[in-house]
Amino acid sequence: DAGVIQSPRHEVTEMGQEVTLRCKPISGHDYLFWYRQTMMRGLELLIYFNNNVPIDDSGMPEDRFSAKMPNASFSTLKIQPSEPRDSAVYFCASSPLVSGVDTEAFFGQGTRLTVV
Amino acid sequence: AQSVTQLGSHVSVSEGALVLLRCNYSSSVPPYLFWYVQYPNQGLQLLLKYTSAATLVKGINGFEAEFKKSETSFHLTKPSAHMSDAAEYFCAVSDRNTGFQKLVFGTGTRLLVSP
Repeated sequence: DAGVIQSPRHEVTEMGQEVTLRCKPISGHDYLFWYRQTMMRGLELLIYFNNNVPIDDSGMPEDRFSAKMPNASFSTLKIQPSEPRDSAVYFCASSPLVSGVDTEAFFGQGTRLTVV
Repeated sequence: AQSVTQLGSHVSVSEGALVLLRCNYSSSVPPYLFWYVQYPNQGLQLLLKYTSAATLVKGINGFEAEFKKSETSFHLTKPSAHMSDAAEYFCAVSDRNTGFQKLVFGTGTRLLVSP
C-alpha cells in the first residue's frame, strides 16, 4: 500500500480564498483523522471519522473549517474563507479497526498551507 | 482531560551518547501512551506504545520507554545515538474513555545529534 496520500503537498493562497485539502487513507482503514500542526499549538486533532461518519469535530476551530468523507477512500478539509492564522501543516492519518492494544495511526506527509 | 508535557524543546547529544527524552502525562484513567518520530518534511511514524501490558516497552530503531505510574512519566531512551536519529519526537496520550484513536500530543522535542 502507498500509505496515506495527501494533496497538495504545498499550498499558497491569498486571504479570503477557499482552500481544499485532500486525503486518501490506507485501504481498509476505518478511521480517518485530520490534524493541524503549528509552532504555537503543536499537533491538534481537528476531526475524526469512523466508517465515513464524523465522530468528533470538537477540535475544528471555527465554522470556516469543514470536513467531509464522501466514501471510504477520500476525505477533504475545506477552509472558507482562509485567513493568515490558518497557515500550518495539516496532516491526515488513518487507522484500522482493531483492538486498542494493536491500534496505530498512519500519517500522511502533510500539506503545508500558507495564507498570505 | 488528558495531556502530556515534554520537557525540553531541544535536546543535543553526541553520536554514541545516551538519548533521554522526557514525557510526563496527566490522565484521570489508565492511559495509553505513545512516542512518535517526525523526520523533516515527513509525517509522524510510531516508535512505540504502552497499552497497560509490560511497563518497559521496546520500539523500533533501538528506542524504548518505561511507564512509571508513580512518576506519571513515559520517558524515551536509546543507549547510543546515531546521526539518523536526528528528528522531532512527540509523546502522545489517549484513554479508554475517549477512545484509543483520539491522541493528544505533546509539543515535541527536537533531537540534535552531533558527530
